[in-house]
Amino acid sequence: DVKVTQSSRYLVKRTGEKVFLECVQDMDHENMFWYRQDPGLGLRLIYFSYDVKMKEKGDIPEGYSVSREKKERFSLILESASTNQTSMYLCASSPRGSGDEQYFGPGTRLTVT
Amino acid sequence: GENVEQHPSTLSVQEGDSAVIKCTYSDSASNYFPWYKQELGKRPQLIIDIRSNVGEKKDQRIAVTLNKTAKHFSLHITETQPEDSAVYFCAGSWGATNKLIFGTGTLLAVQP
Repeated sequence: DVKVTQSSRYLVKRTGEKVFLECVQDMDHENMFWYRQDPGLGLRLIYFSYDVKMKEKGDIPEGYSVSREKKERFSLILESASTNQTSMYLCASSPRGSGDEQYFGPGTRLTVT
Repeated sequence: GENVEQHPSTLSVQEGDSAVIKCTYSDSASNYFPWYKQELGKRPQLIIDIRSNVGEKKDQRIAVTLNKTAKHFSLHITETQPEDSAVYFCAGSWGATNKLIFGTGTLLAVQP
């Protein structure tokens, strides 16, 4: 059974803080993704990684960076958190091929005050 | 660029009725179209998918149809039940990376 875990379910940070969101998958998947979910906007891709140390920008990368030092772990970094980054953040993983199911983590609800 | 539009944003049906959610996509090179269901407070999960070389796929009470000429695909749920209440997302995939572009979601409410 695929398991994708995220480091926190709820997180409250102050404006200007550096924030790390961690995602770990246990199925040896090559692809990992970070999405942001906002009401009425669906799931928007921030960044994805198709291999260790490899990354590509998604649709809304501004204000975010990522790190993938090990295959099972994909980190999302908010260099200087802002209130407009208050959102639900979802991590997902999938095998390499096109048309493979993406498995989601439980999400991190981030509030920036 | 790639885009997926989804309608309606909310849908209310009576238990036992059918529900249809429609999506259109912009890039004719899209080759894979999954549907995800997200129950309240839970993570999205894949419920059905279709590839560009297939016109229709069925799995018990749910079915997906694809019209490549018109660039749209639809989710059909028959004999709806209260446990079908959730947000449904369509998505499209382009190229070989398995990157998905999601629609904005449909909140389906099944009234008992």
